[in-house]
Formats: sequence, C-alpha cells, structure tokens
Amino acid sequence: GAGVSQTPSNKVTEKGKYVELRCDPISGHTALYWYRQSLGQGPEFLIYFQGTGAADDSGLPNDRFFAVRPEGSVSTLKIQRTERGDSAVYLCASSKQGNTEAFFGQGTRLTVV
Amino acid sequence: KQEVTQIPAALSVPEGENLVLNCSFTDSAIYNLQWFRQDPGKGLTSLLLIQSSQREQTSGRLNASLDKSSGRSTLYIAASQPGDSATYLCAVSLRRGDKLIFGTGTRLQVFP
Repeated sequence: GAGVSQTPSNKVTEKGKYVELRCDPISGHTALYWYRQSLGQGPEFLIYFQGTGAADDSGLPNDRFFAVRPEGSVSTLKIQRTERGDSAVYLCASSKQGNTEAFFGQGTRLTVV
Repeated sequence: KQEVTQIPAALSVPEGENLVLNCSFTDSAIYNLQWFRQDPGKGLTSLLLIQSSQREQTSGRLNASLDKSSGRSTLYIAASQPGDSATYLCAVSLRRGDKLIFGTGTRLQVFP
C-alpha cells in the first residue's frame, strides 16, 4: 500500500479482555516499530522488528504485551488482560532497512473501560 | 538515559509570523534527528530528517538546524499559516535503525 495501515482505528474493550492491533507496513520496509502515545505526551517506544525477529523489545511494559511479525510484513500487537492504564493511541511505523525516515500509521486508539 | 525536551509546550501566533520551535537532548551522541507534525487524532507526518553529520535541512517554508555538540535543534517556520496549526514533535535516534526517542511536542496554533 501507499502508507502504513493500522486496524482498527478505534477499539473499545472491557477491562480484562484480550485485544489485537494490526499494522501493515509500507511494502519493502524491513523495519517495523510499535509506539504508545498517551494524551499530551510524545510517543513511547514499545518494540522494534527487523524482518521477522524482534530486535529490541525493551519498551514492552510487562508480559501482558506481546508482538509478532511472522512473515516479515504485517505485525500484530497483542495485549492480554487489558487494564484501564493501557488506554492510549498505539502507533506503528516502518522504515526501509531501519536507516531512513520512519513513516507512521494513523494509529489505533484503544480505550479500556 | 537520553531525554528530549521541547520548548515551548504551546504557542499561539497570528498568521504571517516567523516561528522557532526548540528541541534539546541530553546525550549528544545521536545518529539522527527527525521533526514530525501531528494533527489532532492523527498519526505522525515526517517533516525533516537531519543526519548527525548535517547542520540543517530545508523543505519549503521549513528549516531545521542541528547543533549536536550543544544538544539542540530548532525548527524554523517561515510566514506561518493557519494550516500549520498542529503539534510538532522532535525525536532522536541513537543508532542506525534504532528506536526514536520523542519530546513531548509543541502545540502550535496559527490564527488568521
């Protein structure tokens, strides 16, 4: 596609439920990043993939958060036992060979009620 | 630990003014610095990317400078327009392909 695509754009879930957020990067971009942005803050790093493997997952806040990229393209961020504090906008970005500009998707706004 | 600070947090100006947005970072050993624009409820749009070896980059009415040794970057917006109203974020990367470390942004409003 022309840009980074994230689905859904909005997700409302109940506390304790499991959610999956999807990111479809720009075709040919080998690097993929997940960030989380709370209201009034800059994005905070969660995890970075180079190809299929997680090159850096140091930003994942705890073991309820997990991400995969099985074929080196689409990535899914998975959150188990959601908590109200997980409410934020989850942003995905991709770049070509992890060197050049990062291009961001529109984000998924997650609300845990 | 690298920290990125942006001043001012918010700015409101009349149309036509030239603006300077500031970004500072605590560790000068960066790989590159990137300026983004974010409209309400939207993702980030890349504006300018400056490699650590560069001093400035220009795109249209935008000019970004980088002084690595002092840990500062500025984004200059010439002849501001209401359509420039958005939040401007700067971010640094410490190594090739590494994650971006963001500031908290400057919320700009340009009124007619």
